[in-house]
Amino acid sequence: SQQGEEDPQALSIQEGENATMNCSYKTSINNLQWYRQNSGRGLVHLILIRSNEREKHSGRLRVTLDTSKKSSSLLITASRAADTASYFCATDALYIQGAQKLVFGQGTRLTINP
Amino acid sequence: ETGVTQSPTHLIKTRGQQVTLRCSSQSGHNTVSWYQQALGQGPQFIFQYYREEENGRGNFPPRFSGLQFPNYSSELNVNALELDDSALYLCASSFDDLNNEQFFGPGTRLTVL
Repeated sequence: SQQGEEDPQALSIQEGENATMNCSYKTSINNLQWYRQNSGRGLVHLILIRSNEREKHSGRLRVTLDTSKKSSSLLITASRAADTASYFCATDALYIQGAQKLVFGQGTRLTINP
Repeated sequence: ETGVTQSPTHLIKTRGQQVTLRCSSQSGHNTVSWYQQALGQGPQFIFQYYREEENGRGNFPPRFSGLQFPNYSSELNVNALELDDSALYLCASSFDDLNNEQFFGPGTRLTVL
């Protein structure tokens, strides 16, 4: 089962516009991470936000976290064609042995049109 | 580049066969996790190895097994392949600090015919 659910499932915008993707999750977390995946290849880590943080920036990326609503958003400003990819949120869930398991959502497919 | 490599890039097998996928972690990373990603889905956790011992398993049957070696390499073995095993298999390495990010390899695309 997948804890995170991204919304929307697909997003298509013009180059230069801002793109916002949302993620909801079900259980308490220590941190939430966002990843990008190009064309079904490996995942690239974008940003990690801890449960005691509300907002984090990295270049053109802004991530917010609302633990009371169990939701997060990823904003990409001034989008570029190279931002075309699938974006996944992932939360951590602990096993008895304390292993960090990342639980991914189904992702948002972002297309930037020139 | 994350410094994590996987081989092979692509693989085609038939039902009932066995397959071994390989991963080379970043130097110094003592934790490796394996994920299965079906087409159009997010990655699903298979299991994790920490200092060469299995340290957590997702909802996958025992025919999925793994090994981790002292030289930061690891293997994912799948026996008695089924059609539904067709997927992208990703490995990710990290330090054992729970809040550290995981570094993913490029994946192995497995097709089962």
